[in-house]
Amino acid sequence: DGGITQSPKYLFRKEGQNVTLSCEQNLNHDAMYWYRQDPGQGLRLIYYSQIVNDFQKGDIAEGYSVSREKKESFPLTVTSAQKNPTAFYLCASGLRHRNTGELFFGEGSRLTVL
Amino acid sequence: KQEVTQIPAALSVPEGENLVLNCSFTDSAIYNLQWFRQDPGKGLTSLLLIQSSQREQTSGRLNASLDKSSGRSTLYIAASQPGDSATYLCAVRGFQKLVFGTGTRLLVSP
Repeated sequence: DGGITQSPKYLFRKEGQNVTLSCEQNLNHDAMYWYRQDPGQGLRLIYYSQIVNDFQKGDIAEGYSVSREKKESFPLTVTSAQKNPTAFYLCASGLRHRNTGELFFGEGSRLTVL
Repeated sequence: KQEVTQIPAALSVPEGENLVLNCSFTDSAIYNLQWFRQDPGKGLTSLLLIQSSQREQTSGRLNASLDKSSGRSTLYIAASQPGDSATYLCAVRGFQKLVFGTGTRLLVSP
């Protein structure tokens, strides 16, 4: 089945550790996105990529890093520089430069810092 | 900067009622507006996508309208069911990214 797979679903991290969240899609979408969701707030854009080997910062990129080595994959690393990393992280994909197109989301990864 | 507001933040209705969820946005220069559903602890499921040139879209018991000039969209749910209980999010698409509202949490009681 076509879709977006995020892993792990739950992740616990000690302060000072980097962690990487995986996002894989088999929808043949060029564009991929990472959002952060906190209670009482709308989703906020962390990073996005419109094409392989290229990505741009979103509204809250500080303390995060990404790579886009393959079309299907867009992993997000939460670094120790992120001051408040506990949140629900959502990956999405869509057609490149198709601003009229739908965005599709994965099931999310919940990160808790202990 | 685009801002998206959803009112009410929470809504509780008995089964069978027709209901309307509201979404307003400050910048009318949008490409489209998308309505999503989110169940607790889950990702977002796309419900309806309205292009900026369209007035409404329908899918089953759901109907979404768009008035770009006034910066408003409504999601109409007919004959609500307990299975409709979820958080409903709207998002407007500007150049290259979506801006989300904070959602309306809907509870439909049997």
